[in-house]
Amino acid sequence: EVQLVESGGGVVQPGGSLRLSCVGSGFTFDDYTMHWVRQAPGKGLEWVSRINWDGGGTYYVDSVKGRFTISRDNRKNSLYLQMKSLRTEDTALYFCARESATSEAFDIWGQGTMVTVSS
Amino acid sequence: SYELTQPPSVSVSPGQTARITCSGDALPRKDAYWYQQKSGQAPVLVIYEDRKRPSGIPERFSGSSSGTMATLTISGAQVEDEADYYCYSTDISGNHRGVFGGGTTLTVL
Repeated sequence: EVQLVESGGGVVQPGGSLRLSCVGSGFTFDDYTMHWVRQAPGKGLEWVSRINWDGGGTYYVDSVKGRFTISRDNRKNSLYLQMKSLRTEDTALYFCARESATSEAFDIWGQGTMVTVSS
Repeated sequence: SYELTQPPSVSVSPGQTARITCSGDALPRKDAYWYQQKSGQAPVLVIYEDRKRPSGIPERFSGSSSGTMATLTISGAQVEDEADYYCYSTDISGNHRGVFGGGTTLTVL
């Protein structure tokens, strides 16, 4: 079964750090570009970051640039999001998503991991 | 920054046609994608590259795009189609950044 499983969420104080992980299975992980998408409670989806198949290209939404770092370890079929200087507005459910091999569609999503930034 | 604009809500009766629009300046040159998200679930792709339907998505879902507007059409909407729908595209500036529309809540009752 093709799937993505996120982990690493939790409660953190403003200014703190957290590292999210996403493990892929059932497909050849290093064939795919991967993304992080988040959803604040009761709000819409927000694209956060993208990483090319080999980690050679990384891209971010302006609001997290300089604070978040996306990375991957293809040997471990894993995607990461290192988050620093967290703000209350970073509180959200964080999804990892696979980009289709033939288009920019997100064809596989994880179930998400919740990050709460609160004092 | 680049934005995609959707109506907050659309309401139809069962069997009627629901149309959800998404406007963005780059849509004449960039593809639109549509995602369905039911309460408490991860999003699901329902339309890609403006008008293509993934396998397993019912034929009543279709997409189109003209100028700066993309449209998701649900012909003969059913109660189980009640969900939030999001359009998605990428910034034309070549920076590979994605953007979602604000989302549209579809009510079928």
